[in-house]
Amino acid sequence: AQSVTQLGSHVSVSEGALVLLRCNYSSSVPPYLFWYVQYPNQGLQLLLKYTTGATLVKGINGFEAEFKKSETSFHLTKPSAHMSDAAEYFCAVSPMDSNYQLIWGAGTKLIIKP
Amino acid sequence: NAGVTQTPKFRVLKTGQSMTLLCAQDMNHEYMYWYRQDPGMGLRLIHYSVGEGTTAKGEVPDGYNVSRLKKQNFLLGLESAAPSQTSVYFCASARGESPYNEQFFGPGTRLTVL
Repeated sequence: AQSVTQLGSHVSVSEGALVLLRCNYSSSVPPYLFWYVQYPNQGLQLLLKYTTGATLVKGINGFEAEFKKSETSFHLTKPSAHMSDAAEYFCAVSPMDSNYQLIWGAGTKLIIKP
Repeated sequence: NAGVTQTPKFRVLKTGQSMTLLCAQDMNHEYMYWYRQDPGMGLRLIHYSVGEGTTAKGEVPDGYNVSRLKKQNFLLGLESAAPSQTSVYFCASARGESPYNEQFFGPGTRLTVL
């Protein structure tokens, strides 16, 4: 069965510092890939997605992610953290052989230190 | 477009009581999902539907029932609530005909079972 691993349940960075949230998936066939963000007491919203084409994907709020097939990774980055980025981030994959479900990572809570 | 809406937003039940959570979407999506979110456990799929009149079990279906009588609505029922069902419940929908399963989420229902 496919799985998604997010390294670190909590990541803490200083305001203005680089944000790096890691996501690895297990699949012999590259799936479609997503990052979702959940702000406190809200539902999840799509941050960015990779389907086909360019492997560096830009999303909302200055976030981007790079699909690396050789590393089976889809890490999320932002050059300079802002206090408003404090949220929980979820990585998910949609297997190419089935679009019924998303396989979810456990989530990473991003903490921004002033 | 309201997107995905959930009713109610909050609810407190006593053990053994029943209730129904309503999810509605106005995007004409084929697929709909019910998740629960518990601290440190990410999102867990309860039930899902790939079209009007169809339902299927997800990862944690026990104690829940669902119905999809209309394409735009997906109901989640708890027949006899238990404290273990205290959680935040999210509904999501997806187009279905897309090769990848980008899901759109509601704002959530916070349920407490005493």
